[in-house]
Amino acid sequence: DGGITQSPKYLFRKEGQNVTLSCEQNLNHDAMYWYRQDPGQGLRLIYYSQIVNDFQKGDIAEGYSVSREKKESFPLTVTSAQKNPTAFYLCASRATFKADTQYFGPGTRLTVL
Amino acid sequence: GESVGLHLPTLSVQEGDNSIINCAYSNSASDYFIWYKQESGKGPQFIIDIRSNMDKRQGQRVTVLLNKTVKHLSLQIAATQPGDSAVYFCAVQGLSGGSNYKLTFGKGTLLTVNP
Repeated sequence: DGGITQSPKYLFRKEGQNVTLSCEQNLNHDAMYWYRQDPGQGLRLIYYSQIVNDFQKGDIAEGYSVSREKKESFPLTVTSAQKNPTAFYLCASRATFKADTQYFGPGTRLTVL
Repeated sequence: GESVGLHLPTLSVQEGDNSIINCAYSNSASDYFIWYKQESGKGPQFIIDIRSNMDKRQGQRVTVLLNKTVKHLSLQIAATQPGDSAVYFCAVQGLSGGSNYKLTFGKGTLLTVNP
């Protein structure tokens, strides 16, 4: 069963805590992406990775960090420096960064208590 | 940079009618366009895409039309069904290497299908 998996589906965080969102893909894709979705807004790019061991900041990287140690995994850490972390987080992948179709995972809803 | 907008945030149709959802983009150099469907609480699902060298592309019950002159993109859904109720949004990719082939997303249109 190929695709992109994200875990957990729901995540609750207390203020001041760091949390890590998991994203795994078994599509053998080189490029992976993290987006944030807020009500009434389009998807905003947080970080992206075109190839393993490399990643770049997107449009709203402040307060977030990532790693890309394995091709199939691209975890996102939401740090305490992120002032408004409550949102729906989406991971996506593409065969290569120049490839066409971009596929999304099921998402993780993060709520700060 | 690229900006992407939709003409209507919501659209309500009767079951069996055809639906048309619109998207406008700003960068005339954009070369690739995707439509996604997103159901509540789920990740976006790929519907159909089109490259800038085409004006029209058809899938199963869906058609995408691209008008590069006015920088307008539309998604047509034939014989709309209750299962089509969702948020639909377009994504646009710029040709410029400086964009690193990143997608810019519209805010979405909520389609409601009434039985």
